[in-house]
Amino acid sequence: DAGITQSPRHKVTETGTPVTLRCHQTENHRYMYWYRQDPGHGLRLIHYSYGVKDTDKGEVSDGYSVSRSKTEDFLLTLESATSSQTSVYFCASSLQGTSGRVNTQYFGPGTRLTVL
Amino acid sequence: QKEVEQDPGPLSVPEGAIVSLNCTYSNSAFQYFMWYRQYSRKGPELLMYTYSSGNKEDGRFTAQVDKSSKYISLFIRDSQPSDSATYLCAMVSGNTPLVFGKGTRLSVIA
Repeated sequence: DAGITQSPRHKVTETGTPVTLRCHQTENHRYMYWYRQDPGHGLRLIHYSYGVKDTDKGEVSDGYSVSRSKTEDFLLTLESATSSQTSVYFCASSLQGTSGRVNTQYFGPGTRLTVL
Repeated sequence: QKEVEQDPGPLSVPEGAIVSLNCTYSNSAFQYFMWYRQYSRKGPELLMYTYSSGNKEDGRFTAQVDKSSKYISLFIRDSQPSDSATYLCAMVSGNTPLVFGKGTRLSVIA
């Protein structure tokens, strides 16, 4: 997994509680991404970062926020979790952005989040 | 219409069969085309990528792009039970994030 770890790997929480997922990479990659994967929807981009403190929204960003204070860490926060946010969350990183070139993204092992 | 369409399967084949996995897309600006493989309860990993039209071969795997038809394929020859996974196509244009297909789940039966 190219040195990408996610924590926690599993979490069960209740509706309305805040949740923070952590992604840590040891590759010194500039770009980092958060996706969610759901049956029938595939991988959908939530937010991404193109440098420390530089982030942008993806396809399904509502209800999520991110922060990147260090190159190696990218945090995803659900301010008030809802049942619709039950999903598997994947973090990814890449050395470069797309910029018209192949973008090899390396994925972490995923976090299974259940919101009751 | 989604930008990338991919039949979710599942697709079940006997060991040794030739497997064909496909995606269609609507954005003619896509230039790079990728195939990711995802084993159960794991993150996706890049399998192959192709720039523009043409074929690319890597061992038992061949990636094919037909930009005129907006159609990409991944062929697996002599399929093995270890090839059982979900295969996701992805594509990109310019400096934008990857767009993924929903993935096709493949089972190769010994």
